[in-house]
Amino acid sequence: AQSVTQLDSQVPVFEEAPVELRCNYSSSVSVYLFWYVQYPNQGLQLLLKYLSGSTLVKGINGFEAEFNKSQTSFHLRKPSVHISDTAEYFCAVSEEGGDKIIFGKGTRLHILP
Amino acid sequence: EPEVTQTPSHQVTQMGQEVILRCVPISNHLYFYWYRQILGQKVEFLVSFYNNEISEKSEIFDDQFSVERPDGSNFTLKIRSTKLEDSAMYFCASSGVGGSYEQYFGPGTRLTVT
Repeated sequence: AQSVTQLDSQVPVFEEAPVELRCNYSSSVSVYLFWYVQYPNQGLQLLLKYLSGSTLVKGINGFEAEFNKSQTSFHLRKPSVHISDTAEYFCAVSEEGGDKIIFGKGTRLHILP
Repeated sequence: EPEVTQTPSHQVTQMGQEVILRCVPISNHLYFYWYRQILGQKVEFLVSFYNNEISEKSEIFDDQFSVERPDGSNFTLKIRSTKLEDSAMYFCASSGVGGSYEQYFGPGTRLTVT
């Protein structure tokens, strides 16, 4: 079975500063990895995904994530955040070829002016 | 851009009542899913559905839950006799190719059981 750990429930960061949201996963099989974003009062939107190939994945809105198999991590980064990035960010995993997505508890990104 | 829609956005119901949550998946998609998120907790998989059959379900998806594709456009989740602990945000998702790597989520229905 797969699981996802997002250690930070909340991350405050100043506008235009860089940010890293941490995600670790566990699985006994090959996995796909995802980051989803949930803006206030909205649904889940896919930011980026890792299926295979290059370990550095670029997504929408200037976000990127790096898959590190040895550390079982998939941290999300952005070099310069904007007030509009205020949202909840969910790391997720699924078994390669599987149907079911397993989500982490989420990290609330709070942008300070 | 095509999107998954869900109705209603908020449903309030009394304990013991039946409730039906509705979803309209993206039009050419064939794989459908329900997830739920209890307030303050993680998003959890409930069920996947393809070719008019349940493909996979979680332990949460007990006999009180059922899913149906009543026509060519809707996908519904029914809770037969709601409990207080069913209060959650319910997300529908759809996929054109199946699998986890291309699921599109709707905006959710907030279910409040009183």
